Parts: sequence; structure tokens; C-alpha cells
Amino acid sequence: AQSVTQLDSQVPVFEEAPVELRCNYSSSVSVYLFWYVQYPNQGLQLLLKYLSGSTLVESINGFEAEFNKSQTSFHLRKPSVHISDTAEYFCAVSDLDQTGANNLFFGTGTRLTVIP
Amino acid sequence: EAQVTQNPRYLITVTGKKLTVTCSQNMNHEYMSWYRQDPGLGLRQIYYSMNVEVTDKGDVPEGYKVSRKEKRNFPLILESPSPNQTSLYFCASSLFSGTGGFNSPLHFGNGTRLTVT
Repeated sequence: AQSVTQLDSQVPVFEEAPVELRCNYSSSVSVYLFWYVQYPNQGLQLLLKYLSGSTLVESINGFEAEFNKSQTSFHLRKPSVHISDTAEYFCAVSDLDQTGANNLFFGTGTRLTVIP
Repeated sequence: EAQVTQNPRYLITVTGKKLTVTCSQNMNHEYMSWYRQDPGLGLRQIYYSMNVEVTDKGDVPEGYKVSRKEKRNFPLILESPSPNQTSLYFCASSLFSGTGGFNSPLHFGNGTRLTVT
């Protein structure tokens, strides 16, 4: 089965500084890739996704992620963070080689804390 | 407004007392799923359902039951809760059809924080 690694469980960063949240998955088969964000006391919501086409995908609030097949990574970046970006971020991978409906795998999450 | 509604948001109960957490979606999604979220472990899938009367185990199904009698509802049942089921639970739904990769986003409820003493 696919495994998804988010090495950083917590990332503190000062406001207006850049940030990168790392996500690696276990194999280089065909995949769909997602980042979800969980704001305090809320459920997860989709931030951005890669299904096909351009390997660089962007969200409406300034985040971007790049699919790197050779490094099996999908790191999330933002050039300048705001206080409102404080949240937990989850990377998720769907393994197209695994049949059935149980082929979406989540990482353990990275808590981003933006410091004023 | 398209949404997934879970109730209750908070629940404190005692060991062995049966409980049900309700989940309802208004998007006509066929796929629904329950997850639990624990610190350091991320999200783990409990059960999922591809359609009415079609349910299947996820990664951590022990101690839980589900039913899917209607398309919009997917309740989570704990017949005899134990303290190790203290967790934050999320229901989610998706347009995912069940074939190929999971290419449709999941829509999550706001969560149910369960404490079993």
C-alpha cells in the first residue's frame, strides 16, 4: 500500500516569511495528489490538487505545490504567510494502481503556526 | 449550501454505553467515509460506503459499526465504547465513483469530539 510521509509535524514561521511543507509518498506509480487544510475546530477542506497536466498547481490563497515524480514529492509552498494561514495541513495521495475505493492515503499532518 | 453535517459536535460518555454519531450530506454523493484523527497518527479510515447498503472496512474498523440505508445518511455506531475510542471523528463524502484513482475531493463535516471515560 501507498504510504505518505510528512516529516515535519510542526512548523513555526514568522508572518510574511516563506514556508515549505514537505510531502513524500512511497512509490512512483501513477498518482493523484492533494493538500487539505484544517483550520481550528473545523473539518478538512481541499486546498489544491494535482490530477494531470502542469506539475505546478496553485490555490486561490497563494499556496502552490509542485509534483516531482522522480523525487516522489508534492511539497507545499507559500512565499509570504499570514496569521490566517495557521492551520494543520494534510497531504493525501491516491494510488491509481490500487483498485477499489480504499486507495486514498493521508499523511500525518503538519501544524503550521504563523508567529506575529 | 453544500455540506456534510455531523452531530453531536462534542460527546462525553462512559465505557459500554452505546452511542451513535450521525452524518448527513446534501450533495447526492455516493461515497461516504468515517475517519478518526489522533495526535501524531493523522487521519485513519474506519469504514466507507460506496452506495446504499454497500459498506466496507477501512484501516481501523474494530469496535465500530456503520449503516447506509439512505444515500444521504451514514451513521457511526459504537456498540460498547471504550476509552481507546476517545478521538476526533470526521465524516466525509465525495463524488468518487469507485473506479480508477480517487480524483474527487472529499467534503468533510466539522467533526465530533468523543470522550469515553
